[in-house]
Amino acid sequence: GAGVSQTPSNKVTEKGKYVELRCDPISGHTALYWYRQSLGQGPEFLIYFQGTGAADDSGLPNDRFFAVRPEGSVSTLKIQRTERGDSAVYLCASGPGSSDNEQFFGPGTRLTVL
Amino acid sequence: DQQVKQNSPSLSVQEGRISILNCDYTNSMFDYFLWYKKYPAEGPTFLISISSIKDKNEDGRFTVFLNKSAKHLSLHIVPSQPGDSAVYFCAARMGATNKLIFGTGTLLAVQP
Repeated sequence: GAGVSQTPSNKVTEKGKYVELRCDPISGHTALYWYRQSLGQGPEFLIYFQGTGAADDSGLPNDRFFAVRPEGSVSTLKIQRTERGDSAVYLCASGPGSSDNEQFFGPGTRLTVL
Repeated sequence: DQQVKQNSPSLSVQEGRISILNCDYTNSMFDYFLWYKKYPAEGPTFLISISSIKDKNEDGRFTVFLNKSAKHLSLHIVPSQPGDSAVYFCAARMGATNKLIFGTGTLLAVQP
């Protein structure tokens, strides 16, 4: 596909469970970003990958959150022991290089923790 | 403490008139500013950007103005069209990290 894709589009889980959210960036894009958007707020930065490595993970809220990008393409955001406060739309974006003036966003995964 | 603020949660404009969306920031280290447009159930779509070394950038109906001394930027849409109705987010980039810091958004409604 031409754009960033994210799966699943919706995820409902119970408090305490583990979830994985997947992002397929635009082909050839080396930079990949994860953001989280809560109701009534703008997207909030979580982590930025350049290639396979996390260049900036300062936005991850705590050690329950972890993200990987093992082959420099697809990325997975992993959340352990989910809490109700983790409910949000998780957005992935990709960019063509190491100094992106534009980030291309996917449609997001809506996570609901009951 | 929000580094990027959009103080108007909503704006209503008549079709054909000008829409002006405002954004204020606090961190003078931001090197790039971007506007994104978001429809419900979709991800944000890039609209227009401006480097911190410029004061104006224009692209068709969209113009962004940057006033560094006031730490203020605005997006002008003229003429406004019903299809412009969406949530508009202002974002600022810290050059060293590439991460974007977003405002809370302004819901624009263009009335036919």
